[in-house]
Amino acid sequence: AQSVSQHNHHVILSEAASLELGCNYSYGGTVNLFWYVQYPGQHLQLLLKYFSGDPLVKGIKGFEAEFIKSKFSFNLRKPSVQWSDTAEYFCAVNAGAAGNKLTFGGGTRVLVKP
Amino acid sequence: DAGVIQSPRHEVTEMGQEVTLRCKPISGHDYLFWYRQTMMRGLELLIYFNNNVPIDDSGMPEDRFSAKMPNASFSTLKIQPSEPRDSAVYFCASMSLVGLANYGYTFGSGTRLTVV
Repeated sequence: AQSVSQHNHHVILSEAASLELGCNYSYGGTVNLFWYVQYPGQHLQLLLKYFSGDPLVKGIKGFEAEFIKSKFSFNLRKPSVQWSDTAEYFCAVNAGAAGNKLTFGGGTRVLVKP
Repeated sequence: DAGVIQSPRHEVTEMGQEVTLRCKPISGHDYLFWYRQTMMRGLELLIYFNNNVPIDDSGMPEDRFSAKMPNASFSTLKIQPSEPRDSAVYFCASMSLVGLANYGYTFGSGTRLTVV
């Protein structure tokens, strides 16, 4: 079965700092990878996704993620965060062989101090 | 499109009562997912449908939970009888396999259920 691990549960940083959130998955076959963001009190919104091609994926709001197949990783980055990036971030994996369901990591709560 | 629509947004009920959560997926999406979000367990997939047929219900906690999708535009998640440990936010999401690479999964705003 596919699984997703996000190693950082909580991250606190100041505005303008760089952010990197780790995500590792366990599935040996072809995967589709996603990062979702959940702002306080809101639903999940898609930040970016990887299906194929360039392993460096750019998403909305200045976020990017890099797929490293050999490490089974899909880490999220942002060079300079803003207070409005305070949210919970979820990595998710969809493996076609698993029937197209989306498996989420445990989430990382990010607090950006102004 | 109005997106994935869930109702009600908030539900407070007493232990032992029946609770029904509703979801309207995006038109044309052929997959529908029910997730539960709690602080302790994060986001858990409860059940999902493809073309109105339940494909995987292995995440449904126990027999008190049931889900139906009578047509392509409507799904329900029912809890009977409800218990305080069912308190959570329940999200519905829909997806089109054809559009997956472009749009991913689209989530509704969720139903916050509190069982007292």
